[in-house]
Amino acid sequence: EAGVTQFPSHSVIEKGQTVTLRCDPISGHDNLYWYRRVMGKEIKFLLHFVKESKQDESGMPNNRFLAERTGGTYSTLKVQPAELEDSGVYFCASSQLDRYEQYFGPGTRLTVT
Amino acid sequence: ELKVEQNPLFLSMQEGKNYTIYCNYSTTSDRLYWYRQDPGKSLESLFVLLSNGAVKQEGRLMASLDTKARLSTLHITAAVHDLSATYFCAVDPLTQGGSEKLVFGKGTKLTVNP
Repeated sequence: EAGVTQFPSHSVIEKGQTVTLRCDPISGHDNLYWYRRVMGKEIKFLLHFVKESKQDESGMPNNRFLAERTGGTYSTLKVQPAELEDSGVYFCASSQLDRYEQYFGPGTRLTVT
Repeated sequence: ELKVEQNPLFLSMQEGKNYTIYCNYSTTSDRLYWYRQDPGKSLESLFVLLSNGAVKQEGRLMASLDTKARLSTLHITAAVHDLSATYFCAVDPLTQGGSEKLVFGKGTKLTVNP
């Protein structure tokens, strides 16, 4: 069974540019989560989809971040315009409905210069 | 707001030795997770602890949960080099139903020296 995949693995962009990160959850997992780890800090929750609906987006830092999950399959996280403080590793995770365990992808390392 | 504190943040130990990583959290929860991360890789689920007094063991690692003390421990027995990685604990503040957001500790970077 394929795990959670994320693309790209690394992205280097300039301040003010736009970047879109993609996450493909494990097939059949209705829950999809985005997390972020800024250097030296904890992994922080960003938002949670149940199928295509946003269940909780309380962790989204500001309106420069837009997450979508059209059709309830893969998800994208767009940062527009990117700022220096957006640099970090963005993790995606998925889980089955009413199951406790979240499965994480390898992350996308975003560097904003 | 739920806070999760791990200690130590860095741990260097010799092969064959024992050690414990501690995870304290600030509000009531009975669901705690331990993850392992190798550099550049996914977070790999090690243990899911779902009730007070839960103890789980896998190889040289043993995790326990004391919900009254709001404390989980990850005990390493007779460490080997392959255990070198970063270990995270995470707490799910939700008490019913499926998983929602996890609140993570900062992670413990473990280095096992030959």
